[in-house]
Amino acid sequence: KAGVTQTPRYLIKTRGQQVTLSCSPISGHRSVSWYQQTPGQGLQFLFEYFSETQRNKGNFPGRFSGRQFSNSRSEMNVSTLELGDSALYLCASSAGTGLGNEQFFGPGTRLTVL
Amino acid sequence: GEDVEQSLFLSVREGDSSVINCTYTDSSSTYLYWYKQEPGAGLQLLTYIFSNMDMKQDQRLTVLLNKKDKHLSLRIADTQTGDSAIYFCAGVRGSQGNLIFGKGTKLSVKP
Repeated sequence: KAGVTQTPRYLIKTRGQQVTLSCSPISGHRSVSWYQQTPGQGLQFLFEYFSETQRNKGNFPGRFSGRQFSNSRSEMNVSTLELGDSALYLCASSAGTGLGNEQFFGPGTRLTVL
Repeated sequence: GEDVEQSLFLSVREGDSSVINCTYTDSSSTYLYWYKQEPGAGLQLLTYIFSNMDMKQDQRLTVLLNKKDKHLSLRIADTQTGDSAIYFCAGVRGSQGNLIFGKGTKLSVKP
């Protein structure tokens, strides 16, 4: 089985722009979670989607949004980019949602905001 | 809510055992995980332990859980240079399953 794929792997944007990141889960997995990784804050949960519905959300401003398509692929969008949004964005997929569902991580998208 | 703490660095010699420690605050965490992150890569799940277990062994990896002290440790036996990476401890918040991570412990293995 192919693993979780994320595109693009690297991205450079300037402040005020918006960005869309994509995540394709493992075939058959219906849950996709997004995490932000920064040196200062570490790994923080952004949101989880399951069957095209947002199931859970972390403590991030409304500039961060996401969606999931019927084929379980997910996108996250960040609008009005700020310097502090520079981070590695990780996507994880799991077969189901909730406790006990192992999450498999993709390689991440490295976003740099100038 | 869950909070997870780890020491930031650990350096060992090849062939020695490594012990990475973690403390967590939420005693209701049902699952506790250890992930490994190599440079430029995503997270790889190494092992996990249920909160009703004290120990779990998986080849070179041993996880010990002290529920009273809310302390979790990962022991890597016969540490190799390929084990050099950042190791994250993670707990689960509530019933929804999203992971709460520690800041990660960077393990350096010297030949």
